[in-house]
Amino acid sequence: DAGVTQSPTHLIKTRGQQVTLRCSPKSGHDTVSWYQQALGQGPQFIFQYYEEEERQRGNFPDRFSGHQFPNYSSELNVNALLLGDSALYLCASSGGQGGETQYFGPGTRLLVL
Amino acid sequence: ELKVEQNPLFLSMQEGKNYTIYCNYSTTSDRLYWYRQDPGKSLESLFVLLSNGAVKQEGRLMASLDTKARLSTLHITAAVHDLSATYFCAVDGGTSYDKVIFGPGTSLSVIP
Repeated sequence: DAGVTQSPTHLIKTRGQQVTLRCSPKSGHDTVSWYQQALGQGPQFIFQYYEEEERQRGNFPDRFSGHQFPNYSSELNVNALLLGDSALYLCASSGGQGGETQYFGPGTRLLVL
Repeated sequence: ELKVEQNPLFLSMQEGKNYTIYCNYSTTSDRLYWYRQDPGKSLESLFVLLSNGAVKQEGRLMASLDTKARLSTLHITAAVHDLSATYFCAVDGGTSYDKVIFGPGTSLSVIP
C-alpha cells in the first residue's frame, strides 16, 4: 500500500514565476491538507480539501490556491513566487479508515531565486 | 486564534537520562498529535491523543493529554541516540477535520 506521494521532490524557480505541486493521498483517504514548512520552523497550515472543495484555509494570500480531483489527489499552485516562498511543502492525507491521524508525504522542497 | 507553544525549544541530554517536553495550547481542543521529524525528512506520526487523560506509550516515549490544563507532555525514558530529532506537537480546533496547528518544535539531541 503506497503512502502519501508528492511530486516533484525538488524544484527551483525564480521570483514571479508560478509553480504547481502534486500530491496523491494514502489509499482510502479522502482529505488532503497542505502545509508550508520554512527552515527551522513548524509546518504552517495552508488549506485543506475534502470532496473537491476547500474546507479550511490558513493565513496565506490568494497567491496560494489548490484543487482536489475526483480521485482525491490534489494540487497546490503558487503564483507570483516570492523569495519567502522557499520552503518544504508537505501534503498530508487523512479520513476514511485512517481516522484522525494525518499521514505526511515526503514533501517538495521549493527554492525561489 | 489557536496557538501552540512548546518548551523547551532545544534540548540536549545524555543517553540514559529522562526528560519531558511540554506542549501548551490556547483554545479548547480534544485532539492532539505528536510528530517526529528527522533532518531533511518528512513528519512521522508518533501519537494521537483524543480525550482528556489519554496516555499512550511506544518504546521509550510516552505522551499524555490534559485538556482542562490545555497541556500535553512527551516523556522520554532512558534516552538513546536514535531519539535525536525534532518533535512537534499539533492541535486541531476540536471539530471534525478542523485545521491542525503545529507548535514550533523541540530539537532534541541525545549525546552518547
